[in-house]
Amino acid sequence: QKEVEQNSGPLSVPEGAIASLNCTYSDRGSQSFFWYRQYSGKSPELIMFIYSNGDKEDGRFTAQLNKASQYVSLLIRDSQPSDSATYLCAVLSGGGADGLTFGKGTHLIIQP
Amino acid sequence: DAGVIQSPRHEVTEMGQEVTLRCKPISGHNSLFWYRQTMMRGLELLIYFNNNVPIDDSGMPEDRFSAKMPNASFSTLKIQPSEPRDSAVYFCASSLRAGAQPQHFGDGTRLSIL
Repeated sequence: QKEVEQNSGPLSVPEGAIASLNCTYSDRGSQSFFWYRQYSGKSPELIMFIYSNGDKEDGRFTAQLNKASQYVSLLIRDSQPSDSATYLCAVLSGGGADGLTFGKGTHLIIQP
Repeated sequence: DAGVIQSPRHEVTEMGQEVTLRCKPISGHNSLFWYRQTMMRGLELLIYFNNNVPIDDSGMPEDRFSAKMPNASFSTLKIQPSEPRDSAVYFCASSLRAGAQPQHFGDGTRLSIL
């Protein structure tokens, strides 16, 4: 059973600070990793993806991947109230499977 | 560009009735995915298609669920007969092709079975 684990939160971060969201996965053969943001009552929105070990930066967002530790994280710099949402970690396993396995998400609250 | 389009946005029906959810993927995308989201289980993959062919339906919960993709621009997910435990938000997503391509989600169908 492929599993993706996230702390459900809520994670409360002051405006302007760095929000750090973490995710672990069980399938060592996993190849691709995605972060989605989901506002209440809305659909998941892709914000980052990462395939290789290390860091990938896009604006205020940085995804970090450590395949040896089976760990992926998302950093949000200069957090804004509009970043308040649930962040879903999704993993694409190897072996030809194309469907994503999602964590249950971390509820992030940015306090003004 | 139009994103993934799902219909209806909301569906309320009585148990035992047939429910059909519809999805139009992004033009040019060759892979289509159906997911279900509940508070208890989160987002779960039900089935996906590559080039209109069903590849993996191991996530379909029961024989009451079926999905088709008659052409590259249309897919349906059908529940017959429906039960209250089927109540959830059903999302359709598409990607350019199979593999490590990002998936883009539609707005979802919020289904309530009374």
